Amino acid sequence: AQSVTQPDIHITVSEGASLELRCNYSYGATPYLFWYVQSPGQGLQLLLKYFSGDTLVQGIKGFEAEFKRSQSSFNLRKPSVHWSDAAEYFCAHHDYKLSFGAGTTVTVRA
Amino acid sequence: ETGVTQTPRHLVMGMTNKKSLKCEQHLGHNAMYWYKQSAKKPLELMFVYNFKEQTENNSVPSRFSPECPNSSHLFLHLHTLQPEDSALYLCASSQEWGLETQYFGPGTRLLVL
Repeated sequence: AQSVTQPDIHITVSEGASLELRCNYSYGATPYLFWYVQSPGQGLQLLLKYFSGDTLVQGIKGFEAEFKRSQSSFNLRKPSVHWSDAAEYFCAHHDYKLSFGAGTTVTVRA
Repeated sequence: ETGVTQTPRHLVMGMTNKKSLKCEQHLGHNAMYWYKQSAKKPLELMFVYNFKEQTENNSVPSRFSPECPNSSHLFLHLHTLQPEDSALYLCASSQEWGLETQYFGPGTRLLVL
């Protein structure tokens, strides 16, 4: 069965610093991968998705993610974090349904 | 504006109560979903409706009863819930069931006493 793992439960980063959130998947075929963000009191919003093609995917709000088959990873990055990026981030894989990781909470300090 | 609205946003109910959660999407989508989000656990898919037909029931207890009268509306009827059912219940929609981007509502925060 496929699964998605987010190794980091909580990350604290300074405003203006770079951010990288890890996501690992276990699945044999080409995965369909997503990153969602959930701000406090809000639903989930899609940041970006990977289906095929270029392994570096650009998303909204200045985020990007890179698919690396050799490492079974789909890490999310942002070069310079803003205070408004404080939220919970979910990696997800789609087979016949969306399966989510447990999430990574990002705190941004001034 | 996500295009998916949920009411109520917060709900407190006793174990003997009956209540309903409502979801409405304004995106012209044909698939709608209910998810359960518990603290520190991955989102759990509960139900899927595609063109008003239920296509997925992810082993959800019968005390949760979904209803989809049309492609724009989805309900989750609750009765004789347990305290462990306390969670954030999220509704989502997509163009169709399958490899389509899902758009989420803000959720209903449910507390069962």
